[in-house]
Amino acid sequence: QQQVKQSPQSLIVQKGGISIINCAYENTAFDYFPWYQQFPGKGPALLIAIRPDVSEKKEGRFTISFNKSAKQFSLHIMDSQPGDSATYFCAASKNSGGSNYKLTFGKGTLLTVNP
Amino acid sequence: NAGVTQTPKFQVLKTGQSMTLQCAQDMNHEYMSWYRQDPGMGLRLIHYSVGAGITDQGEVPNGYNVSRSTTEDFPLRLLSAAPSQTSVYFCASSDRVTGQGRYNEQFFGPGTRLTVL
Repeated sequence: QQQVKQSPQSLIVQKGGISIINCAYENTAFDYFPWYQQFPGKGPALLIAIRPDVSEKKEGRFTISFNKSAKQFSLHIMDSQPGDSATYFCAASKNSGGSNYKLTFGKGTLLTVNP
Repeated sequence: NAGVTQTPKFQVLKTGQSMTLQCAQDMNHEYMSWYRQDPGMGLRLIHYSVGAGITDQGEVPNGYNVSRSTTEDFPLRLLSAAPSQTSVYFCASSDRVTGQGRYNEQFFGPGTRLTVL
């Protein structure tokens, strides 16, 4: 049972364009939704995260949009740059007495930004 | 701070061999986890620990053992390696969440690429 579904598997965007990656979850107990960025040969690193009590969070060129009723969230990368080329993972977890360390990941999206 | 460190970076094993993947963190984090990453599968949780002496199974625990004798170290043991365990292994650590509405970040190590022939 895949609890977090991510799409697309791969995405090619021109420099300056908008990259959009979507995720859907099944477990309504999830209450923490981070996005991780991974460069080749490196471990994932937290990019941005959102809680379900807000519908949008923006940090620089990166924005998470969250739709609680649809159980969906998405990552938008504005003005995409070649340096953004990486694999992006959405994830989810639930906070239970401080225990939101068990992340459930989507399968990842390989983003390529062409110069 | 070195953060989360993993050794070795690369390892090749033969089927049936055993080995231990090392993970250490210097951030005094209570929580540590092991994930495996396979192409097209994302990252899947193998085992995790909420503190020294306390471990539990994740999504894909079969074939792996863990122990946590100190806060800093969380080794992952393969007792009898199988080709299905060929993967990239990531260790992660995070601090305890304190207070309602706070969410902790998981910090990942650089990974160990394991090939089982």
